[in-house]
Amino acid sequence: GEDVEQSLFLSVREGDSSVINCTYTDSSSTYLYWYKQEPGAGLQLLTYIFSNMDMKQDQRLTVLLNKKDKHLSLRIADTQTGDSAIYFCAPSPLGGSQGNLIFGKGTKLSVKP
Amino acid sequence: EAGVAQSPRYKIIEKRQSVAFWCNPISGHATLYWYQQILGQGPKLLIQFQNNGVVDDSQLPKDRFSAERLKGVDSTLKIQPAKLEDSAVYLCASSLRSGANVLTFGAGSRLTVL
Repeated sequence: GEDVEQSLFLSVREGDSSVINCTYTDSSSTYLYWYKQEPGAGLQLLTYIFSNMDMKQDQRLTVLLNKKDKHLSLRIADTQTGDSAIYFCAPSPLGGSQGNLIFGKGTKLSVKP
Repeated sequence: EAGVAQSPRYKIIEKRQSVAFWCNPISGHATLYWYQQILGQGPKLLIQFQNNGVVDDSQLPKDRFSAERLKGVDSTLKIQPAKLEDSAVYLCASSLRSGANVLTFGAGSRLTVL
C-alpha cells in the first residue's frame, strides 16, 4: 500500500521561508493534498495539486511536485508564528475510495519570533 | 457556513466499556468519513459513507467498531468493547463529491481508554 514519509520537525525564524518535504510511494495518486492541524483542532485543507501539474502557487504557499521522484514539497513564504502547527501531506491513491487519503505522520513546524 | 460538529470532545472510559461518538456534517455534504488519529500519527480512514451507504470500511475493526449514518445526515461511531489501543482522536469529515475531494474536518473526539 501507499507509504508517506515526512520529516517530523522543522524550526524556522519568523519571516523566513519554510519548506516541508514529503515522499510517497504510489505513483497513481491523482490529487496530493496538504493539511494543517493546530493543537486540539481538526485538519484544515491548505492546498492541493493535481498530478499533472509541477507547481501551484497560492498566496504565501507554493507546492512543488516531482512525479518522477514521488516528491512533494510545501513552501511557506514569510513564515509567521501563526503558521506553527503540524502539516500533513496526503496523496489520494487511484483505486482507493476518494476519502482514503493516506496521511504521513506530519511535520511539526515551530516558528520562533 | 457551519462546520462539521462532533461530540463529545473528550471521553475517558475503562477498557471493555463502550463509547459512542456523534457527527453532524456540513449541510448538503453527501459524503461522510470517520478517521482515527493515534497520538503522533496521521489520520487513518475507518469508514466512508456516501449518503447512508457504506463506500469503504476496509480498515474498520468490525469486531468492536460499528458506524451508521441514518437518513444520510448525522453519523454515529461506536466502540464496544474498547481496548487500550483505541485511545485516539476520532475525526469526522465531510465533502461534496467533486474531482478534487476537499474534506472538511471536525475538531475531533478525544478518547482515552484506561
